[in-house]
Amino acid sequence: ETGVTQSPTHLIKTRGQQVTLRCSSQSGHNTVSWYQQALGQGPQFIFQYYREEENGRGNFPPRFSGLQFPNYSSELNVNALELDDSALYLCASNRNGDSPLHFGNGTRLTVT
Amino acid sequence: GNSVTQMEGPVTLSEEAFLTINCTYTATGYPSLFWYVQYPGEGLQLLLKATKADDKGSNKGFEATYRKETTSFHLEKGSVQVSDSAVYFCALIEATSGTYKYIFGTGTRLKVLA
Repeated sequence: ETGVTQSPTHLIKTRGQQVTLRCSSQSGHNTVSWYQQALGQGPQFIFQYYREEENGRGNFPPRFSGLQFPNYSSELNVNALELDDSALYLCASNRNGDSPLHFGNGTRLTVT
Repeated sequence: GNSVTQMEGPVTLSEEAFLTINCTYTATGYPSLFWYVQYPGEGLQLLLKATKADDKGSNKGFEATYRKETTSFHLEKGSVQVSDSAVYFCALIEATSGTYKYIFGTGTRLKVLA
């Protein structure tokens, strides 16, 4: 059983740039969620995708957007990067609504 | 809104000591509760869960009981090992209009010394 994989593992961007992070969900999982984990904090919910549609969103501005593909993989896009966007971005998948999340190892984004 | 509060760390213990990490929650209704663990450089891994009041979740020697009277879900282990050193997150699941989002505490770092 292949787990959740994310790429890249690390990324450095400049303020104002755009970034795309990628995630492959665990086999058999049709729901993907993205979380932002700032240093020393717990993960914060960004949004969730189910059957290629955004299925819920946390308190993040519209410059955070995403996609889910027919194979259930997903992308997180962030436009107009700000310094405060520096964080670990975690992708998680699960089989349905309230089943436990399975997390990838994350992408560490640094905005300078 | 719903929230999770964890004891602040870091918690430093000697090997074979007893561990308690406190977690309390505020929620509408009775959500499922979880403990996740994060090892250095890795994502979060599910440690245990409980889905209703008085349920006890357990895994790898760790236990936590869902207490609705005290709105708590404290994590315990009778004898910690160096390999248990990690950050532990308490979480609840919030269901809104078909969306299931996890609300996490800020995490408690555990360091176990040999």
